[in-house]
Amino acid sequence: GAVVSQHPSRVICKSGTSVKIECRSLDFQATTMFWYRQFPKQSLMLMATSNEGSKATYEQGVEKDKFLINHASLTLSTLTVTSAHPEDSSFYICSAQLATETQYFGPGTRLLVL
Amino acid sequence: TQLLEQSPQFLSIQEGENLTVYCNSSSVFSSLQWYRQEPGEGPVLLVTVVTGGEVKKLKRLTFQFGDARKDSSLHITAAQPGDTGLYLCAYMGANFGNEKLTFGTGTRLTIIP
Repeated sequence: GAVVSQHPSRVICKSGTSVKIECRSLDFQATTMFWYRQFPKQSLMLMATSNEGSKATYEQGVEKDKFLINHASLTLSTLTVTSAHPEDSSFYICSAQLATETQYFGPGTRLLVL
Repeated sequence: TQLLEQSPQFLSIQEGENLTVYCNSSSVFSSLQWYRQEPGEGPVLLVTVVTGGEVKKLKRLTFQFGDARKDSSLHITAAQPGDTGLYLCAYMGANFGNEKLTFGTGTRLTIIP
């Protein structure tokens, strides 16, 4: 099956710093990738849709200046959490779209902001 | 955005027992998907149901799509510890030309050995 990786798997940072998370499709090209956030004991919530070569589309309530998304190639999308605060601590998961109605998910990145 | 309510929210049962979890909505869907997510991992697609009344089986897991395509259920027979995880239903909706997944509230299942 299609494989999606994320790096890092875990990151701890100080409040006010920025953190970059990478999402890669390892064996297929994805023009569209998605970024989700999952708080403890909750479901996944879509943050934004990342399209290669164009601006990301953000869900309502998600600050585009705080969560910067770059999809510079067909196999890589990055999410940068800028000026991170403790309330940004969460599990961030990406997915890559292989075909219509088929998304493959990465293993997630656990972010802890101190 | 249509809401997918899953029940129960939490379920803890003994190994070998049977269980059913539900995914309900007031909206009609062209299809629904079921995922399982293990702790510290991303969700993995189990099945997609498309036709009203459809039943799909995946080993000990039986998925059913409601006749009116508003709800779905997942039945697990003879649960095993490996079935432990967060079960999520989801629907795909149009999103500026892309297909956007919206997840249900989830059922966290724990199978006790």
